[in-house]
Amino acid sequence: QVQLQQSGAELAKPGSSVKISCKASGYTFTSYYISWIKQTTGQGLEYIGYINTGSGGTNYNEKFKGKATLTVDKSSSTAFMQLSSLTPDDSAVYYCAREGDIGTRYWGQGVMVTVSS
Amino acid sequence: DIVLTQAPLSVSVTPGESASISCRSSKSLLSSKGITSLYWYLQRPGKSPQLLIYQMSNLASGVPDRFSSSGSETDFTLKISKVETEDVGVYYCGHRLEYPYTFGAGTKLELK
Repeated sequence: QVQLQQSGAELAKPGSSVKISCKASGYTFTSYYISWIKQTTGQGLEYIGYINTGSGGTNYNEKFKGKATLTVDKSSSTAFMQLSSLTPDDSAVYYCAREGDIGTRYWGQGVMVTVSS
Repeated sequence: DIVLTQAPLSVSVTPGESASISCRSSKSLLSSKGITSLYWYLQRPGKSPQLLIYQMSNLASGVPDRFSSSGSETDFTLKISKVETEDVGVYYCGHRLEYPYTFGAGTKLELK
């Protein structure tokens, strides 16, 4: 069955970076794009961007350009998102989700990122 | 960016009764391919969002037919008939017409 397994919770200091992962299984990794979505209590759900897992091509929400960098490792069927220059506003739960013809049917379990000194 | 406005922000329902949630878009969600790009998700407490409805009115696999959705190009309604305990959570509408895709603020469904 399709699964997206995300890495564990992160506690980071302001100004630092974190890199979270999303390991896919149960399907051909390069056949579907992966999206990343941010969830906060205040802003709700926000799309960060998506990556073409075959070519590595990316498309970012303007709001997150310069903040998030999406990459993939096809050999391990894993997508990554690096968040840089962290501030408390980056504290959130981050989800990866598999894109398909009918939308995002499969989601990871989410990663909580906490930015605090 | 397209803004999706949901109403109400919360709804309290007696088990077995029906509930309706509205979603209004700031722009027509009818694509050039004739598909209405409106989606509904349920996020149960402590869980990831789950796709319920795609392309305005199509039930995702495994979703009970107590859920239904309809609408026009900008106004949409999710209906849940015979609400059950497992339906508790936050319902989000979302669009995929153009990037960035966006979501509504969510409607919290509770049981009386």
